[in-house]
Amino acid sequence: ETGVTQTPRHLVMGMTNKKSLKCEQHLGHNAMYWYKQSAKKPLELMFVYSLEERVENNSVPSRFSPECPNSSHLFLHLHTLQPEDSALYLCASSPQFPSSGNTIYFGEGSWLTVV
Amino acid sequence: GQNIDQPTEMTATEGAIVQINCTYQTSGFNGLFWYQQHAGEAPTFLSYNVLDGLEEKGRFSSFLSRSKGYSYLLLKELQMKDSASYLCAVMDSNYQLIWGAGTKLIIKP
Repeated sequence: ETGVTQTPRHLVMGMTNKKSLKCEQHLGHNAMYWYKQSAKKPLELMFVYSLEERVENNSVPSRFSPECPNSSHLFLHLHTLQPEDSALYLCASSPQFPSSGNTIYFGEGSWLTVV
Repeated sequence: GQNIDQPTEMTATEGAIVQINCTYQTSGFNGLFWYQQHAGEAPTFLSYNVLDGLEEKGRFSSFLSRSKGYSYLLLKELQMKDSASYLCAVMDSNYQLIWGAGTKLIIKP
């Protein structure tokens, strides 16, 4: 238990569907992150929120839309995805952003398969 | 460009010692992290090095040489539960984390 909870753990969706991934952190942190993890590739930072404000958006396609309603919750809204978007999506949090020497805590991830 | 290199896969025997290397080329340096990730689970923090030298934490140790752009994670008295992927990440001058692709460690009896 890392203090960061993600749902659903597994999601299969068609290319025309709309779905959302949810993340909740119970650590009292101010920063939350979405990462994409593909097999044998480095973690790719997608979005960073600090105190509910988006501070990083690393050239992510608009079919991925983040939402941070408060410092404990983070969503990733998905629509018209492509098969190459199939991956493990990891949510993470840290006490602040930049995290400096602070540890980033990860959730267990949501496995997404686009068919 | 910024780059982190680590071996894709390593195999070791239960009870033995294994060293996982990580070399990096980044714009500045504000620390190096090692994370462990079991299959289907969250990456979990193992160590953080910002100064040169060896940091020991139980069976795991992490070494850093900033002048060489090099780190290693040393695992002693290997146990089957150490089978996992080990991720190296460097924080650059902008406090961005640059990640390696991870090393999958397979422990055999």
